[in-house]
Amino acid sequence: NAGVMQNPRHLVRRRGQEARLRCSPMKGHSHVYWYRQLPEEGLKFMVYLQKENIIDESGMPKERFSAEFPKEGPSILRIQQVVRGDSAAYFCASSSTGGHEQFFGPGTRLTVL
Amino acid sequence: DQQVKQNSPSLSVQEGRISILNCDYTNSMFDYFLWYKKYPAEGPTFLISISSIKDKNEDGRFTVFLNKSAKHLSLHIVPSQPGDSAVYFCAAKTVSNYQLIWGAGTKLIIKP
Repeated sequence: NAGVMQNPRHLVRRRGQEARLRCSPMKGHSHVYWYRQLPEEGLKFMVYLQKENIIDESGMPKERFSAEFPKEGPSILRIQQVVRGDSAAYFCASSSTGGHEQFFGPGTRLTVL
Repeated sequence: DQQVKQNSPSLSVQEGRISILNCDYTNSMFDYFLWYKKYPAEGPTFLISISSIKDKNEDGRFTVFLNKSAKHLSLHIVPSQPGDSAVYFCAAKTVSNYQLIWGAGTKLIIKP
């Protein structure tokens, strides 16, 4: 029973390029959450999605960031025109309907040069 | 505005002794609390949780205590083992909401 999967684990982009981060939730989970962690800080909520729906994107910057969770395939967090300040670890978590616990993937470490 | 605070950035404990990690919160609407453990370069791993209707929950070596009047919870690990060395995060939510609000974490170091 595979856990939450994220890829790539490491991503290097130059300023102005696009970054695409993928997340496959645990089997049976239909709720996906994206978090960002900056060095020496806790995790910060970005966006919460269910299949084909964005439920809450209040933690996501209004510009350059977008997320989707299509009917088929993984959830995608997309960052356009990356800047150095986007360098961080991005974690995806999933939960079952009604479950309080969120289960995390290994994260994608984005480095913007 | 930090709603969940872990005031100790790090804690060092001798192997075999008890580790006590603390967490304070300010939002009285929180009614579900979770502890996660995180190793470098990995995602957080769920450890243990507690609902506000309880004041204690135990799972093996891990026990979480909740003091609602003080808005304080603690995680006890006994006995501490070298593999427990990690960063521990406290998180809180309301039952009706999905958002986890996280503390900044406490780095636990178990000395041999």
